Amino acid sequence: ETGVTQTPRHLVMGMTNKKSLKCEQHLGHNAMYWYKQSAKKPLELMFVYSLEERVENNSVPSRFSPECPNSSHLFLHLHTLQPEDSALYLCASSQDLRINYGYTFGSGTRLTVV
Amino acid sequence: EDKVVQSPLSLVVHEGDTVTLNCSYEVTNFRSLLWYKQEKKAPTFLFMLTSSGIEKKSGRLSSILDKKELSSILNITATQTGDSAIYLCAVEANDKIIFGKGTRLHILP
Repeated sequence: ETGVTQTPRHLVMGMTNKKSLKCEQHLGHNAMYWYKQSAKKPLELMFVYSLEERVENNSVPSRFSPECPNSSHLFLHLHTLQPEDSALYLCASSQDLRINYGYTFGSGTRLTVV
Repeated sequence: EDKVVQSPLSLVVHEGDTVTLNCSYEVTNFRSLLWYKQEKKAPTFLFMLTSSGIEKKSGRLSSILDKKELSSILNITATQTGDSAIYLCAVEANDKIIFGKGTRLHILP
């Protein structure tokens, strides 16, 4: 285990469903991130939170809604998704936003939208 | 338990030196191995390796996979200060991606 835990590991949802992805870290890190990994594409940064405040949103459609209730938990709420949203969603954390500290990634949630 | 181990964890060299970064893995149902360079928040994709023994090259960077040894190396020749970054190795297996902790490379001018 990396210290960053994502649940569920797999999720299949219809386009009209509402679901949430959960990420949890107990590393004492202050920054958390959501990434999207599509097939044969590099990682895409979606959201960045630092000390529970959103500091970056990389033009992500509003059907993806993040929530960071505390520094250990990060959620990604999903609603009315499209089939092209099917991907591996990765959560990561770091000590803070400075790159020197590096990242710890979770293993991802494999999302399939049908 | 699937795992990816990178070494060294950090490395400091002088500009012009050649460096070799290592990545070893223990996974079931291996699909591919990926190398990323991380300078900003989003890692930059470098290479995807699926076949053993075939070197991939991009400028001064090259990488090769050894499926027998369950490992990969990333070589950077004639290093420049712009190569300073964290280099991440990740393995796709069992429908997930497992990342190593990264090698922090610092190039001194």
